Amino acid sequence: ETGVTQSPTHLIKTRGQQVTLRCSSQSGHNTVSWYQQALGQGPQFIFQYYREEENGRGNFPPRFSGLQFPNYSSELNVNALELDDSALYLCASSQKGEFDSPLHFGNGTRLTVT
Amino acid sequence: AQKVTQAQTEISVVEKEDVTLDCVYETRDTTYYLFWYKQPPSGELVFLIRRNSFDEQNEISGRYSWNFQKSTSSFNFTITASQVVDSAVYFCALLPGYSTLTFGKGTMLLVSP
Repeated sequence: ETGVTQSPTHLIKTRGQQVTLRCSSQSGHNTVSWYQQALGQGPQFIFQYYREEENGRGNFPPRFSGLQFPNYSSELNVNALELDDSALYLCASSQKGEFDSPLHFGNGTRLTVT
Repeated sequence: AQKVTQAQTEISVVEKEDVTLDCVYETRDTTYYLFWYKQPPSGELVFLIRRNSFDEQNEISGRYSWNFQKSTSSFNFTITASQVVDSAVYFCALLPGYSTLTFGKGTMLLVSP
């Protein structure tokens, strides 16, 4: 059973640029959630995708967008990067319908915006 | 609205000491799940335990134990005979109903030899 994998592991971007982060779900999981973890904070929910559609969104502006593909992998896109977007971005997969399914997290992508 | 409070920002202990990490939660849902995750310096979140709101039995897994008390909305985590490898940030999280996972701010545990 393969776990959740994220790429890249580290990324440095300049303010105003756009970035795409990628996530491959754990085998058998059909739901992907993205979280932003600022330094010294707990992860904050960005959005969730199920069957290729957004299925819930946290308090993040529209410049944060995502995609889920038929193989359940996912992308997080952030436009017009701001300095405060510097954070660890975590992807988690789960099985929709299994209410108690614990989320399985990837190792994250550390984004630095300069 | 849901909320998770981990009042202890940082705890330092010496190896072999017992340590308890506190977690207090708020939710209006009667059905919910509580989680603990460990985040070592490498960054990944490691799932430790899940407990549903209808099961107040305490749980022990090796050196780890969890005390769930609905009356005080608490879900505390105790590490017995701590080891250096236990050093990490520990997060408590709440999943109410068919909502989204809400994390506390985490407690950094430093275990010295």
